[in-house]
Amino acid sequence: AQSVTQLDSQVPVFEEAPVELRCNYSSSVSVYLFWYVQYPNQGLQLLLKYLSGSTLVESINGFEAEFNKSQTSFHLRKPSVHISDTAEYFCAVSDPWETSGSRLTFGEGTQLTVNP
Amino acid sequence: DAGVTQSPTHLIKTRGQQVTLRCSPKSGHDTVSWYQQALGQGPQFIFQYYEEEERQRGNFPDRFSGHQFPNYSSELNVNALLLGDSALYLCASSLGGEETQYFGPGTRLLVL
Repeated sequence: AQSVTQLDSQVPVFEEAPVELRCNYSSSVSVYLFWYVQYPNQGLQLLLKYLSGSTLVESINGFEAEFNKSQTSFHLRKPSVHISDTAEYFCAVSDPWETSGSRLTFGEGTQLTVNP
Repeated sequence: DAGVTQSPTHLIKTRGQQVTLRCSPKSGHDTVSWYQQALGQGPQFIFQYYEEEERQRGNFPDRFSGHQFPNYSSELNVNALLLGDSALYLCASSLGGEETQYFGPGTRLLVL
């Protein structure tokens, strides 16, 4: 079974500072990778995803993540964070070879808190 | 374009009762997955429905059951509620075999 490890449960940063949220997954075969964001008392919103192709994927609000197969990692980065980026971030993985539908396996989440 | 909707938003039940949660998928989507998110944890996969059948199931007891209707909407039923069933229940929809799932706002269930 796949597993996802988010190495930091909480990441406090100051506004306009860079941030990296770390994610490692267990599978050594092909995977699909996702980052979701959850604001307080809300559901999950898809931030970005890696399915194939370029190992660097970007979101519309300045986040990017790089798929590193050799290190089985999919770390999320942003060069300059805003107060509004304060939220819980979840890394998730699914198996592209699963023939009977895809399930997402999530990490435990990283709470990003951006301070003024 | 309507996103995934869930009802109710909040629910309070007592131990031993039964509960039904509802989900309408994003327009054009035919696959519905359910997840349980306990406080402070990541979502856990319960099951997935496609063409009105359960296609995959996670590690949840038989007290958790579901249904998908011809219009692709879905219900999650939980029988004999336990205190540990208190959680945010998330519904996600996708199109057929596509890998990207879109989530609704969730139903927060409190079992007393």
